[in-house]
This record gives sequence, structure tokens and C-alpha cells, in this order.
Amino acid sequence: GAGVSQSPRYKVAKRGQDVALRCDPISGHVSLFWYQQALGQGPEFLTYFQNEAQLDKSGLPSDRFFAERPEGSVSTLKIQRTQQEDSAVYLCASRQGVNEQFFGPGTRLTVL
Amino acid sequence: GDSVTQMEGPVTLSEEAFLTINCTYTATGYPSLFWYVQYPGEGLQLLLKATKADDKGSNKGFEATYRKETTSFHLEKGSVQVSDSAVYFCALSPLSGGYNKLIFGAGTRLAVHP
Repeated sequence: GAGVSQSPRYKVAKRGQDVALRCDPISGHVSLFWYQQALGQGPEFLTYFQNEAQLDKSGLPSDRFFAERPEGSVSTLKIQRTQQEDSAVYLCASRQGVNEQFFGPGTRLTVL
Repeated sequence: GDSVTQMEGPVTLSEEAFLTINCTYTATGYPSLFWYVQYPGEGLQLLLKATKADDKGSNKGFEATYRKETTSFHLEKGSVQVSDSAVYFCALSPLSGGYNKLIFGAGTRLAVHP
């Protein structure tokens, strides 16, 4: 079936704007993860859901970052009052059981 | 805290050369270890993994052995091809995170020329 999809693929925001990034996991995958990848760096963990429950949000850098997965499928990562340091690629991954995480193509966010 | 350190790139090799990309880690207990690859214009893909000490992960001619005594998981391939040009990420999944989140190294860019 289809892999993990993310939208939009590219987002340009002015500093101070709110943005919402969407992730559609592989159908039936219980676990969903968000990562932030700065230019030239490896991905850094942001948060983890099991079904609709957010079990780990230790990587969210500030209270401007908020993630939800209300029906245990699609997830949205919201960033309020964006700052230039929020510019990065935001990756979503999903997993079934304890198997590998499958990554989406990412959303490249540029904050001007 | 838990962390991964991998050799800086870029690594530039001729086709059919031997490849080693070093990776060491810091973690409590026995993390699971992974190599992910990111080809140009594509998303991250799992290349191989190992879940316990002395396990060897292998795929597409690449291999890496989980060395607890040296806290290492070096990636090797005997004969690289131009199509192996990509960015390679070493990662661990720590016990402290319930083996859920992944902690990545900074990535090593490999360029293979004919």
C-alpha cells in the first residue's frame, strides 16, 4: 500500500505566523513519530503517539509546538508564532508493533 | 544522555572501493542500533539493524556488527557502486525511551565516482 505521506511538502511562513503540518501514516500503523531535521544534521525526536495517545513529547522544543492525533490515524504538528530557528525539515514516521519506522518525505519549513 | 557519533563526511570513493563509516554510541543498557540511508530526493529508509550485542545486520551488501565492548556499529561494504551515493545515518533506539524514539547521528555523505 501507500507509504507515509506528508503535506504540504514545502511551507514558507513569515515570522510570527502559525503553521500546521499534516502526516498520513501507513494504514493500520499504531505508532506515529515526529522528528525535526535541521540542515546538515540528523533528525531529532519531537514526539510519539500510540493510537491517539501522546506517550512522549519530551523532544518538543517549546510550548509553541503542539501535536495531535485525535482519531489515532492522521496527525498534525502545529507551530505557533514561528521563529527563524524553526526552519527545518519536519519528518513523520509510522510503525506497526516493534518493527521498523517508515518515514515520510518530510515538510520543509522556511521561516522568513 | 543517549547519543550517537559518526564520522564526518563527505566520504569520496571510487567505484569498487571498500567503505567504512564509523559510528559509536552512548547509551544505558542495550539499545537497538540502526543504519538509515537517504538517497538524493528521497526519504529516510532503513538499511539494516541489530538488536543485541554481537548481532550482525546486513542488507544490499552492507553490514554492521553490534559491538558492546567498543560501543560501536560501524557500517562496511566491500565494493561500493555509484548508486550507493547517499547520506548515511547511524541511529539508536534506547531502552530509556521504551525502544520507541530514534536518536540519530549527524549523517555521513558518501559520494562514489566511476
